[in-house]
Amino acid sequence: QTVVTQEPSFSVSPGGTVTLTCGLSSGSVSASSYPSWYQQTPGQAPRTLIYSTNARSSGVPDRFSGSILGNKAALTITGAQTDDECDYYCALYMSGGFWVFGGGTRLTVL
Amino acid sequence: EVLLLESGGGLAQPGGSLRLSCAASAFTFKNYAMSWVRQAPGKGLEWVSSITTNGDATYYADSVKGRFTISRDNSKNTLFLQMNSLRAEDTAVYYCAKRTAGSNSPIDYWGQGALVTVSS
Repeated sequence: QTVVTQEPSFSVSPGGTVTLTCGLSSGSVSASSYPSWYQQTPGQAPRTLIYSTNARSSGVPDRFSGSILGNKAALTITGAQTDDECDYYCALYMSGGFWVFGGGTRLTVL
Repeated sequence: EVLLLESGGGLAQPGGSLRLSCAASAFTFKNYAMSWVRQAPGKGLEWVSSITTNGDATYYADSVKGRFTISRDNSKNTLFLQMNSLRAEDTAVYYCAKRTAGSNSPIDYWGQGALVTVSS
């Protein structure tokens, strides 16, 4: 069974830059996995940030960007703000209509 | 603005059934694949099921296959999830989600979620 891996937690200073990653327990992430990134604050529904590797969803500021770094998908936040402190999830397409979410990364801004 | 409004959540007994609905508006519903994603209390997101634009193909996570059925009514812009043989581990907030195109495309919009609690 394929597992999508994310860092359980990460910390960044206000104004700093952080890169979160999304990998596979076996194999590499590519554009054909349509990697996407979702932001979720406690008690709220997820919000789509990035889809299809690097397409920014409507209304998402350009300090959020997506890419493929090596064999993983990556979400980079530049100029981190205190409002960015929440959970971030990635999702990958596994073919045959199946999707898998990563376990999520809890980002702390301090 | 795209709006997805879930309904039908609530309390069910183990082995019981519930049917979730998702009313969609502000986009051409029939042109987009749709999905259900759930989140158990204190846990991460889990993809549950997807359906193609005209409903001719459906996909399910192994954890719900054979128990849940996804369907849609394009004439009423509504997505459904019929949940049978419910288990305690199905307790979660269930989100309706719109995909950017077909079932292999990512999610761009989410509903606010419907809480399903399975308990005796």
